[in-house]
Amino acid sequence: GQSLEQPSEVTAVEGAVVQINCTYQTSGFYGLSWYQQHDGGAPTFLSYNALDGLEETGRFSSFLSRSDSYGYLLLQELQMKDSASYFCAVNSGNTPLVFGKGTRLSVIA
Amino acid sequence: KAGVTQTPRYLIKTRGQQVTLSCSPISGHRSVSWYQQTPGQGLQFLFEYFSETQRNKGNFPGRFSGRQFSNSRSEMNVSTLELGDSALYLCASRPTGTRSGGELFFGEGSRLTVL
Repeated sequence: GQSLEQPSEVTAVEGAVVQINCTYQTSGFYGLSWYQQHDGGAPTFLSYNALDGLEETGRFSSFLSRSDSYGYLLLQELQMKDSASYFCAVNSGNTPLVFGKGTRLSVIA
Repeated sequence: KAGVTQTPRYLIKTRGQQVTLSCSPISGHRSVSWYQQTPGQGLQFLFEYFSETQRNKGNFPGRFSGRQFSNSRSEMNVSTLELGDSALYLCASRPTGTRSGGELFFGEGSRLTVL
């Protein structure tokens, strides 16, 4: 089977940096994705890591360590609009994306 | 380019009724997946369709069914509704059947409330 673990809630101050961790267990692994979902909205794709290392896209970065079955999403220069739920998801190739339960990020002034 | 469109956006049903939800994927996308989202449970996979064929099915009872049409539009049906079926049902599409990459394009969902 497959399982993903991520913190349920994180609170951070506007302008700060926050890291959301994700550990996974899977029988096959192609890559790790991150999605953002605002309340009442659709999940939107943020990033995908297939190889070890850091991928940077503007204020957001995502990291993967395949040997540790671990990844994280790093949000820099936090803005109030970053308050949302963030989901990691595993791509195992021949099965659909499996999502974690999500981390609710609250950005406070 | 229009995004994934789901209808209806909101609906209220009573226990024992059935419901049909519709999803129109992004033009040119042939793969459609359905997920159920409930508070604290994340996104639970329901089905995946590609070229009118169901490729995968999640761990849901037989009351949940779906299909895909030749134009890639998809529907899911839930029969004999239970209170626990209250959820946001999300549809997502991707261009091809290959699963390289991890990008799905989601609709805004159909929020079902069962009374």
